[in-house]
Amino acid sequence: DAKTTQPTSMDCAEGRAANLPCNHSTISGNEYVYWYRQIHSQGPQYIIHGLKNNETNEMASLIITEDRKSSTLILPHATLRDTAVYYCIVRTHTGNQFYFGTGTSLTVIP
Amino acid sequence: ETGVTQTPRHLVMGMTNKKSLKCEQHLGHNAMYWYKQSAKKPLELMFVYSLEERVENNSVPSRFSPECPNSSHLFLHLHTLQPEDSALYLCASSQVVLGGNTIYFGEGSWLTVV
Repeated sequence: DAKTTQPTSMDCAEGRAANLPCNHSTISGNEYVYWYRQIHSQGPQYIIHGLKNNETNEMASLIITEDRKSSTLILPHATLRDTAVYYCIVRTHTGNQFYFGTGTSLTVIP
Repeated sequence: ETGVTQTPRHLVMGMTNKKSLKCEQHLGHNAMYWYKQSAKKPLELMFVYSLEERVENNSVPSRFSPECPNSSHLFLHLHTLQPEDSALYLCASSQVVLGGNTIYFGEGSWLTVV
């Protein structure tokens, strides 16, 4: 599975959009981009995933560049409860392994 | 509520004890996982079971022994652990389908080895 690179930490003002970037320059054509988040002391929570088209659900939007070498997770109106570590993972849909890196620690500031 | 239930949520055990962590998934998935998360470290994949057969074992010490009796249940048997094994142990499950293989986690079991 392709390796991902994320900033270590980010801050976002409450009510503003949080834009979390992820680089995956070695991604293969059959690999999906997944986003998870982990609130302190809890299990990781699935947010969204996509292959090449932009995706949106009730939690967030996922923007994937045309060359698929990077993506951005957007939380449209960040709340204090969105403070968490966000993980970007790239993997094939048939693979069994989900490997998590160090992620981005997002702090939403009142 | 994610559909993946882990028990116990907290466990304290001595180095000579034998204990087990239990995981149950109510999602109809066919793959289950054990992850370990030590303080301030990334999640480490320990074991993967697909269709009740172990398909991945990332060189985990033999003092950790997994068991998957059916597609809904997963155990992690613990014996003669070391203090450095103290961590959050996370169970997860997934179903391989066209369009993505999303993994869902339980809330974890906090293990302290004394």
